[in-house]
Amino acid sequence: NAGVTQTPKFQVLKTGQSMTLQCAQDMNHEYMSWYRQDPGMGLRLIHYSVGAGITDQGEVPNGYNVSRSTTEDFPLRLLSAAPSQTSVYFCASTTQGGTEAFFGQGTRLTVV
Amino acid sequence: AQSVTQLDSQVPVFEEAPVELRCNYSSSVSVYLFWYVQYPNQGLQLLLKYLSGSTLVKGINGFEAEFNKSQTSFHLRKPSVHISDTAEYFCAVGRRALTFGSGTRLQVQP
Repeated sequence: NAGVTQTPKFQVLKTGQSMTLQCAQDMNHEYMSWYRQDPGMGLRLIHYSVGAGITDQGEVPNGYNVSRSTTEDFPLRLLSAAPSQTSVYFCASTTQGGTEAFFGQGTRLTVV
Repeated sequence: AQSVTQLDSQVPVFEEAPVELRCNYSSSVSVYLFWYVQYPNQGLQLLLKYLSGSTLVKGINGFEAEFNKSQTSFHLRKPSVHISDTAEYFCAVGRRALTFGSGTRLQVQP
């Protein structure tokens, strides 16, 4: 039982490049979400999904796309990276009743 | 809509002293309350949570928190801290989608 697995752990992108941050969970949770963490700002919700085929925007969705084709996977896509997207990204998987969220180890992304 | 305010960005404290990390929240609906800890270069680990029932909640590593509905607070306490408690602590509210505070960096000094 691995919990929530995020890949890669580190990534450097050039401005304008695209990439996908991967997130997988093996707890059969319907609810998954993506956050970004910036110094002094805590974690902010980017996108979330309440089940396969259903996604919605969070607080800071601009510049990011998501899809949810399976219960296990919830990838986050940066279509055209910008320096403002330099951050640490966390994926979370949440129990059915919302009583606990499990976080991955994070992806540290630098856009130059 | 919901929001979380962590009143202290940094809290320096000596080893074996007590500590309180403050958290105030606002929400138009009933929510769950959480405290998470983040050690350097790591993910978030759940310390404790309030879902319902007793307002005093005990968590891991000797931490506890008290839910105060009238003051909309959920302060985190530990009676005696250790060097190993040095970390960043986040208060969060919500059900499934969480709203986080900006974090409090606890610095335990020998």
